[in-house]
Amino acid sequence: DVQLTQSPSSLSASVGDRVTIACRASQTSSPSLNWYQQKPGKAPKLLIYAVSTLQSGVPSRFSGSGSGTDFTLTINGLHPEDSATYLCQQSHSFPYTFGPGTKVEI
Amino acid sequence: QVQLQESGPGLVKPSETLALTCTVSGGTLSGHYWTWIRQSPGKGLEWLGYIHYDERTVYNPSLERRLTMSVDTSRNLLSLILRSVTAADTAVYFCARLPDFSGWPFDSWGQGTLVTVSS
Repeated sequence: DVQLTQSPSSLSASVGDRVTIACRASQTSSPSLNWYQQKPGKAPKLLIYAVSTLQSGVPSRFSGSGSGTDFTLTINGLHPEDSATYLCQQSHSFPYTFGPGTKVEI
Repeated sequence: QVQLQESGPGLVKPSETLALTCTVSGGTLSGHYWTWIRQSPGKGLEWLGYIHYDERTVYNPSLERRLTMSVDTSRNLLSLILRSVTAADTAVYFCARLPDFSGWPFDSWGQGTLVTVSS
């Protein structure tokens, strides 16, 4: 299975900050690396797919980059509603797997 | 805008069979893959498998012996059956759409249904 690790596991930031979350895969996962936002008691919400494509309706302050085994989610200008857990996920190899998540507190 | 809604028993006894359904509205099953994912405090998010509207399936090998997914295109229903459950199967179960475009992301999710395995 492809193991996904995320760093940091949690962070605290202020409104307006730029936040970067890393996701590292145990095997190449390009281009099928996706990012989700999950709030307590809710289903994950797709933010970014195929490494860097913004899902329709997602604010442009979210962006993704990376290749091979190293990927990054960036939030440029944190908003209060961005307080959530962010998860990476790979659909490159079966079984599809998720990272453990990064909790962002504001 | 497609919407998904899971439903199930809530509580299942150990060694019994869990049966869940997912109702899809605002769209059809045709032309898409559909997937099941679960989330437990101990294991995070776990992908269970997917099913195509033509009933082709791929299951997570860790659950393959106990798992069956099916579709009913006439009623826009997805079904999941998990046999011989244990406490480790306690989780929130989600159904989601898996469009076959770049990235193969899960783009629409149900709200999830909590299943507890306990006697």
